[in-house]
Amino acid sequence: RKEVEQDPGPFNVPEGATVAFNCTYSNSASQSFFWYRQDCRKEPKLLMSVYSSGNEDGRFTAQLNRASQYISLLIRDSKLSDSATYLCVVTAGGTSYGKLTFGQGTILTVHP
Amino acid sequence: SQTIHQWPATLVQPVGSPLSLECTVEGTSNPNLYWYRQAAGRGLQLLFYSVGIGQISSEVPQNLSASRPQDRQFILSSKKLLLSDSGFYLCAWSVLRSLQFFGPGTRLTVL
Repeated sequence: RKEVEQDPGPFNVPEGATVAFNCTYSNSASQSFFWYRQDCRKEPKLLMSVYSSGNEDGRFTAQLNRASQYISLLIRDSKLSDSATYLCVVTAGGTSYGKLTFGQGTILTVHP
Repeated sequence: SQTIHQWPATLVQPVGSPLSLECTVEGTSNPNLYWYRQAAGRGLQLLFYSVGIGQISSEVPQNLSASRPQDRQFILSSKKLLLSDSGFYLCAWSVLRSLQFFGPGTRLTVL
């Protein structure tokens, strides 16, 4: 089983749609959770951290379920500029350097 | 504010040639530094990390090595490149234990 698993997609949605991505992780000792966004041929950029109580940043909402070891990202009112690969990222517990484990990424294409 | 630089942006090298990629960070002190590789259509793989000058840890056995000669400088090297070394090489930094920020990357093609 992969440490971090995501549905690779691709997700093709029209502008204005709501889309949700899911992610599961295998290490129950994981401590921190993030969503990164990666545009084609560019570096990953932090989209948002994921907190236990759930958190929202504009059109983006992240949820964490530690019991199920499940993370989600909801994008409302999709824009063309949201087209990218979304990476689910988890840190392992007990490391001194904060090792990040990346999912394979979910590809999103928003069309007019 | 902190910035991270990588060069070159693109590199085409023949099999068997040496490699040196450089990463520098500005605006922070004593960062943790990381080298990742992203092969075409695949996820990010951590290659090396460093918590201080001269301190290098390798995550996977491979044809590459890393060095940290200065606090904010991280270098990825190879004596002889293989075809399988092709990929997108990303340097990242952090000061907290987890949150990492990436440089613009070097796209390496080995022919």
